[in-house]
Amino acid sequence: KAGVTQTPRYLIKTRGQQVTLSCSPISGHRSVSWYQQTPGQGLQFLFEYFSETQRNKGNFPGRFSGRQFSNSRSEMNVSTLELGDSALYLCASSLVGGSSSGANVLTFGAGSRLTVL
Amino acid sequence: AQKVTQAQTEISVVEKEDVTLDCVYETRDTTYYLFWYKQPPSGELVFLIRRNSFDEQNEISGRYSWNFQKSTSSFNFTITASQVVDSAVYFCALSEAPAFNKFYFGSGTKLNVKP
Repeated sequence: KAGVTQTPRYLIKTRGQQVTLSCSPISGHRSVSWYQQTPGQGLQFLFEYFSETQRNKGNFPGRFSGRQFSNSRSEMNVSTLELGDSALYLCASSLVGGSSSGANVLTFGAGSRLTVL
Repeated sequence: AQKVTQAQTEISVVEKEDVTLDCVYETRDTTYYLFWYKQPPSGELVFLIRRNSFDEQNEISGRYSWNFQKSTSSFNFTITASQVVDSAVYFCALSEAPAFNKFYFGSGTKLNVKP
């Protein structure tokens, strides 16, 4: 069974550019969550999508956005990149959204490491 | 305020030593979940255990064991007879109703197991 696949694994951008990261969840998983990991702030929740709808959102500026497609694949976009956006962006999937029957085990991908110069 | 505190930034042990990783959480919810994840150098977070707030039973899985104490808001993780392959960063996480898939992670504890 394939795991969570994130692309690209590494990318370098310059300030002011935008970036799109992709996440393919485990087959059958309908919920996708995104997390940002930095040395200073640690792991922080960005947002969660379930059935193409954003279910929860973390405390990030509007430059951070995402979407989910009908096949559960998800993308996140960061516009007008800043140096502080340099981070490992982790995607996680679970069978269902986490607002009904309790917390699900999140299966994480290997991440997309973004460097902003 | 930090919802999950892992006070140990880095721990170094020699192989075969036992080691305990501490996790203290803060929540006002009566329904919540606690998790431990392992992050090897490859970057992928690997699930280790999930506990809900109604289940204080300790758990043992091979060399791993977890001690959940609601009275002290702690969910500690012990590795018995550590091995070099246990070297990684370990994260404790909390999720609360109703946004159960929104995890609050601790800052992580880097475990170095030396041969």
